[in-house]
Amino acid sequence: EVQLVESGGGLVQPGGSLRVSCEASGFTFNKHAMSWVRQAPGRGLEWVANINGDGNWILYVDSVKGRFTISRDNGKNSLSLQMNSLRAEDTAVYYCAREGWYHMDVWGKGATVTVSS
Amino acid sequence: EIVLTQSPGTLSLSPGERATLSCRASQSVSSNYLAWYQQKPGQAPRLLIYAASSRATGIPDRFSGSGSGTDFTLTISRLEPEDFAVYYCQQFGSAFVFGGGTKVEIK
Repeated sequence: EVQLVESGGGLVQPGGSLRVSCEASGFTFNKHAMSWVRQAPGRGLEWVANINGDGNWILYVDSVKGRFTISRDNGKNSLSLQMNSLRAEDTAVYYCAREGWYHMDVWGKGATVTVSS
Repeated sequence: EIVLTQSPGTLSLSPGERATLSCRASQSVSSNYLAWYQQKPGQAPRLLIYAASSRATGIPDRFSGSGSGTDFTLTISRLEPEDFAVYYCQQFGSAFVFGGGTKVEIK
């Protein structure tokens, strides 16, 4: 069964750091680009970052550039998002998603990140 | 950056009725890069349609996508009780962008 499972969410103070991870199973991980998508409470979906199968092509939404870092470990079938200098507006559910051809065909259940003092 | 505008914001319909959801892009986009998702409360999004008109695996044929250029449509031919949800369009230009969503609610 194709599956993505996020972990690492939690409560962090403004200016703090947090790392969310995603464990993949049931497919050849290094053959797929991967994305992080977030959803603030009561809001719509916002794409955050993606990384290609080799890990050498990365894109970010402007609002997280310089603060967030996406990475992958193909040996461990794992995707990560390191989030630094967190702001209240980064509070959201963070979804890991597998990319197909310019769409996202498999999603995890999400990890909740709350930035608050 | 391309902006996707979905309309209406909310669609109030009864089971069995036809739903027509619109997604308009601020500039022309490739049909190959247009997708639709369904999201129910407390759940992750689910891919419905990719490349504007191709149904994802396991998606019932009452869901169909169409359009080109700047105007795309998701049609649900006959609403089933499980179809009441929020629907998002998404495109890829230089990065992924999602529309604001259309909520399909029970009338």
